[in-house]
Amino acid sequence: GAGVSQSPRYKVTKRGQDVALRCDPISGHVSLYWYRQALGQGPEFLTYFNYEAQQDKSGLPNDRFSAERPEGSISTLTIQRTEQRDSAMYRCASSLGLAGDNQPQHFGDGTRLSIL
Amino acid sequence: LAKTTQPISMDSYEGQEVNITCSHNNIATNDYITWYQQFPSQGPRFIIQGYKTKVTNEVASLFIPADRKSSTLSLPRVSLSDTAVYYCLVGDINTGGFKTIFGAGTRLFVKA
Repeated sequence: GAGVSQSPRYKVTKRGQDVALRCDPISGHVSLYWYRQALGQGPEFLTYFNYEAQQDKSGLPNDRFSAERPEGSISTLTIQRTEQRDSAMYRCASSLGLAGDNQPQHFGDGTRLSIL
Repeated sequence: LAKTTQPISMDSYEGQEVNITCSHNNIATNDYITWYQQFPSQGPRFIIQGYKTKVTNEVASLFIPADRKSSTLSLPRVSLSDTAVYYCLVGDINTGGFKTIFGAGTRLFVKA
């Protein structure tokens, strides 16, 4: 596609449910990043992938959060047993080169997650 | 960790040049300085990137002094549509990983 695509755009779910957020990066982009953004704040780094390998997941808040990118393209961020504090905008970005090569990141429009 | 400090907000008028300065005292040797722009309800959009001295593209200029402990994003002749949040960040290359750290950004409000 032309840009980074995220789905769903909006997700409302009850506390305790699991959610899966999808990111489809720009075709050919090697690196993929996940961020969380609270209202009025900058994006907070969660994790990133070079190809299918998850390089750094130290930004994940706790073990309820996980991410995968099994074929080096589409990625899924999963939050298990959601809590109200998980409510935020979740953004995905991709870059052409490897992370660490200082390549510009291209962001999607995000998934707005609301936990009731 | 490389952190950045920017003004929280700035106001300007259409047609003026806007300069937003970012401090990054702990920038590492291999780090680049990157600026992003974010409009409401959209993801951040890359504006410009540099390592040292001056970089210019069709949108902005980036000035980086020799010590690289700060940088200034310059937007020539801003328009109302330049109202957005501007983020300065440096690549943070840790052992075994890479993090991109966004701060709170600078909210630029351009008035008619």
